[in-house]
Amino acid sequence: QKEVEQNSGPLSVPEGAIASLNCTYSDRVSQSFFWYRQYSGKSPELIMSIYSNGDKEDGRFTAQLNKASQYVSLLIRDSQPSDSATYLCAVNNDNAGNMLTFGGGTRLMVKP
Amino acid sequence: SAVISQKPSRDICQRGTSLTIQCQVDSQVTMMFWYRQQPGQSLTLIATANQGSEATYESGFVIDKFPISRPNLTFSTLTVSNMSPEDSSIYLCSAYSGSRDEQYFGPGTRLTVT
Repeated sequence: QKEVEQNSGPLSVPEGAIASLNCTYSDRVSQSFFWYRQYSGKSPELIMSIYSNGDKEDGRFTAQLNKASQYVSLLIRDSQPSDSATYLCAVNNDNAGNMLTFGGGTRLMVKP
Repeated sequence: SAVISQKPSRDICQRGTSLTIQCQVDSQVTMMFWYRQQPGQSLTLIATANQGSEATYESGFVIDKFPISRPNLTFSTLTVSNMSPEDSSIYLCSAYSGSRDEQYFGPGTRLTVT
């Protein structure tokens, strides 16, 4: 059973702080990793993808991947109330026909 | 990124009836998927819509209940058959772009079965 685990939260951070969202996965052969943001009542929106160990930065977002530890994280710098949403971690085992396995999501609340 | 539209955006249906959801992508994509999301829950994959062949269903989902079509590389339909209140959910279409190795989602269809 391939699993992707996330803390459901809610994770509450003050405005301007760094929000750190974490995800672990069980399938060692996983190759592609994604973070989606989902606002209440909306569909998931892809915000970051990462494929190799290390950090990948895009604006206020940084994705971090450690394949040895089977761990992927998302850092949001200078958190804004508009970042309040559920963040879904997704993992692609390329041998599974490009299907994504999703974590349960972490609900982030950024308080003004 | 691929732009995906779904119709209808929402519907209220009576028990025992069927609803067909349409998904249109603005470009040809390698793969299309159908997901279900219950309130407060994560995404559950229903099936992979294969162009020109039968869909591949995940455990717990069967073709008689969720028939899927994919006549070309930009369009797919999901039918929810013989609906019961337990089928009330959000149904999401997604498309995989092989060129970018990324998957995008449509806006979803909110289904309520009474």
